[in-house]
Amino acid sequence: SQTIHQWPATLVQPVGSPLSLECTVEGTSNPNLYWYRQAAGRGLQLLFYSVGIGQISSEVPQNLSASRPQDRQFILSSKKLLLSDSGFYLCAWSVRLAGVYEQYFGPGTRLTVT
Amino acid sequence: KNQVEQSPQSLIILEGKNCTLQCNYTVSPFSNLRWYKQDTGRGPVSLTIMTFSENTKSNGRYTATLDADTKQSSLHITASQLSDSASYICVVIESGGSYIPTFGRGTSLIVHP
Repeated sequence: SQTIHQWPATLVQPVGSPLSLECTVEGTSNPNLYWYRQAAGRGLQLLFYSVGIGQISSEVPQNLSASRPQDRQFILSSKKLLLSDSGFYLCAWSVRLAGVYEQYFGPGTRLTVT
Repeated sequence: KNQVEQSPQSLIILEGKNCTLQCNYTVSPFSNLRWYKQDTGRGPVSLTIMTFSENTKSNGRYTATLDADTKQSSLHITASQLSDSASYICVVIESGGSYIPTFGRGTSLIVHP
């Protein structure tokens, strides 16, 4: 069965510090991968998606970046965090099954920028 | 612009009661619509998925309906339980191309004993 891992589960970082969140998927190959952010009381905002190794599309301009060094690894980074980067970050993957895309979410990382 | 609107924004009900959550969308061309349940501090978990040709789909006490003509969907929860307290998110997927879903903001449901 497929599994998606995210770490860390929670993170508290000072403003201006770097960030690296990691997501890995098991049990599937060549998945589409996504990073979402969910601010308190808000809906999910798509940040980045990737359809293959080294292929990253950005949906929202910001001080975050994403990389996909391996087929099932997706990394979210920042060189200098802002207070507005606080939120709940979710990694997700999708695969097409019987003509319908299935999307599965990881457990999320709660980031607090102080 | 593709949009998904959910109502109500929040809902409080007593345990054992039924409730219905609404979702209106403007996504076109339409591929499928799904409802997710998101517990606080957790990732969303899929409840139902419906394609264009499906009008209703059930998953235990959850029943989703879809009217593709009016672009409306509803999620009905029967005999609510305390564990139903969560955010319910409606997601609509556009057909063709990469899978980029459009998310609603969710309905926050609180079930009181």
